[in-house]
Amino acid sequence: SQTIHQWPATLVQPVGSPLSLECTVEGTSNPNLYWYRQAAGRGLQLLFYSVGIGQISSEVPQNLSASRPQDRQFILSSKKLLLSDSGFYLCAWSVHRGRGNTEAFFGQGTRLTVV
Amino acid sequence: AQKVTQAQTEISVVEKEDVTLDCVYETRDTTYYLFWYKQPPSGELVFLIRRNSFDEQNEISGRYSWNFQKSTSSFNFTITASQVVDSAVYFCALSGDNYGQNFVFGPGTRLSVLP
Repeated sequence: SQTIHQWPATLVQPVGSPLSLECTVEGTSNPNLYWYRQAAGRGLQLLFYSVGIGQISSEVPQNLSASRPQDRQFILSSKKLLLSDSGFYLCAWSVHRGRGNTEAFFGQGTRLTVV
Repeated sequence: AQKVTQAQTEISVVEKEDVTLDCVYETRDTTYYLFWYKQPPSGELVFLIRRNSFDEQNEISGRYSWNFQKSTSSFNFTITASQVVDSAVYFCALSGDNYGQNFVFGPGTRLSVLP
């Protein structure tokens, strides 16, 4: 069966520090991978998605970046965090099967607080 | 452009009441997919249902039912005999048919079921 791992679960980082959040998927190959952010009490904002190794599409230009060094690994990074980067970060995967994407399956999320 | 609207920001009901969560979508795709997710207080998004645009049959799963109407671009979700455990934020989402298509989420509806 497929599983998605996302870590860490919570993170408190000072302003200006770097960030690296990692997400890995098991049990499937060539998944579509996504990073979403959810600000407190708000909806889901798509940050990045990837359809293959090294292929990253950015939806929101900001000081975050994403990389996909392996088929089932998706990394969210920042060189210098801002206070506005605080939020709940969710990684997700789906696959394209014939007619459209399957549903997206989400990790447990990382709650990031920038102080 | 694709868009999902959930006009109800918050709903409160008393246990055992029926409640309907509204979802209205916009898309130019002729083939598309609709989803509902539940986000309990723990934060992880739980997949509930996927619906294809070419299948307008309504669906029932236990206390949950979904009413898909292409004529009004709506995909409403009804919980019958609500329970306290149904308290969560519910998201409606839309995805197109193209390879690598991402998911567009509505802003969510916070449902509180009071004992």
